[in-house]
Amino acid sequence: QSALTQPASVSGSLGQSITISCTGSSSDVGGYNYVSWYQQHPGKAPKLMIYDVSNRPSGVSNRFSGSKSGNTASLTISGLQAEDEADYYCGSYTSSNTLRVFGGGTKLTVL
Amino acid sequence: EVQLVQSGAEVKKPGESLKISCKGSGYSFTNYWIGWVRQMPGKGLEWMGIIYPRDSDTRYRPSFQGQVTISADKSISTAYLQWSSLKASDTAMYYCARLNNMMLDIWGQGTMVTVSS
Repeated sequence: QSALTQPASVSGSLGQSITISCTGSSSDVGGYNYVSWYQQHPGKAPKLMIYDVSNRPSGVSNRFSGSKSGNTASLTISGLQAEDEADYYCGSYTSSNTLRVFGGGTKLTVL
Repeated sequence: EVQLVQSGAEVKKPGESLKISCKGSGYSFTNYWIGWVRQMPGKGLEWMGIIYPRDSDTRYRPSFQGQVTISADKSISTAYLQWSSLKASDTAMYYCARLNNMMLDIWGQGTMVTVSS
């Protein structure tokens, strides 16, 4: 059982926007601004898309954005493109003895 | 180019030992923690533990403590993940990743470990 809760799947049409949620607790998501998001295509390594809740690494499209409210973080992808179809994982620092936690992952389908 | 390059796929029998590697290049290896992440077939990412190569300070997720050993050799910019006695349930893809502040910004390509009799 993952420490952070994500929807198993989301879908959206080309050009539309979608949002993926990531719910934790005050020990992780809610307590620190250290939420990151990773994209993973089948057979590939994860790729960092968002860090520290809302920051994009160099080279990541500005169609990807992150936010947080209370114990829930969100990843929004606007202007959906076919190549956005992938699994998305949130991650957070945690004050528990596990140090870091991931969400269970969300499969994004682009229709 | 900043990168982490992992050792190749392994096929082992239950009870055998194994050590896989993760070599960093293009940055100062001793200045960043390295994390290990497990991904079982068809499943999500699981945090295993981290190591600081400069002094080999190591932290394990409790469920992995005693099951694996994380180590590093800073002289060759390489981190390791090892098992003394593999089980079928260790079959998974294993990733190393650089911990930059609070984000995993550089990932290795992954090492597939298959344990089967």
